[in-house]
Amino acid sequence: QVRLVQSGAEVKKPGASVKISCKAFGYTFTNYAMHWVRQAPGQRLEWMAWINAGNGNKKYSPKFQGRVTITRDTAASTVYMELSSLKSEDTAVYYCARMAGPTGGLDYWGQGTLVPVSS
Amino acid sequence: DIVMTQSPDSLAGSLGEKATINCKSSHNVLHNSNNKNHLAWYQQKPGQPPKLLIYWASTRESGVPDRFSGSGSGTDFTLTISSLQAEDVAVYYCQQYYSTPWTFGQGTKVEIK
Repeated sequence: QVRLVQSGAEVKKPGASVKISCKAFGYTFTNYAMHWVRQAPGQRLEWMAWINAGNGNKKYSPKFQGRVTITRDTAASTVYMELSSLKSEDTAVYYCARMAGPTGGLDYWGQGTLVPVSS
Repeated sequence: DIVMTQSPDSLAGSLGEKATINCKSSHNVLHNSNNKNHLAWYQQKPGQPPKLLIYWASTRESGVPDRFSGSGSGTDFTLTISSLQAEDVAVYYCQQYYSTPWTFGQGTKVEIK
């Protein structure tokens, strides 16, 4: 069955970077796009970026442009999201989520990765 | 960015009662290319990732109970739970995928009285 398994929680200091992995199981990795969405405590979901796992095309939210980088390793069926210059406001749970083909909804989600940013 | 605004922020209904959540978009999300509304609804329970309920504004995701339905077009949308069940306690979010950055509503918390 389809599963997205993310790397574990990471505590970071302001100014540091974090790189989160999302490994896909149970489907043809290169046939789908992967998105990254974060959720700060008590806040709404916030879309960050997406990558076409097949051709590598990517799109970033202007809010994170310059700080976020998405990459993929097709041999490992894994997508990575790196966020740099972390601030306390980046404290959030970060999710990867598969886009449901042409329908546009996000049909499978990872379990989430908590990234507390604190000095 | 397209702003998504949900109402109410929270609601409490009795078991078996109908619940209605509204979502208003600051921009028309009906796409000319396919004549579809690029609007999805998600359910999020505490400690869990969101779960896709509805896409194209009114198409139920596979496995989602038929008490959940979506309607609306253009800028105004509704998620209806026809008969509230205990397991429906969650926060519900609408989301537009008409244009990037994709954006979500602030969420509506549904509880049982």
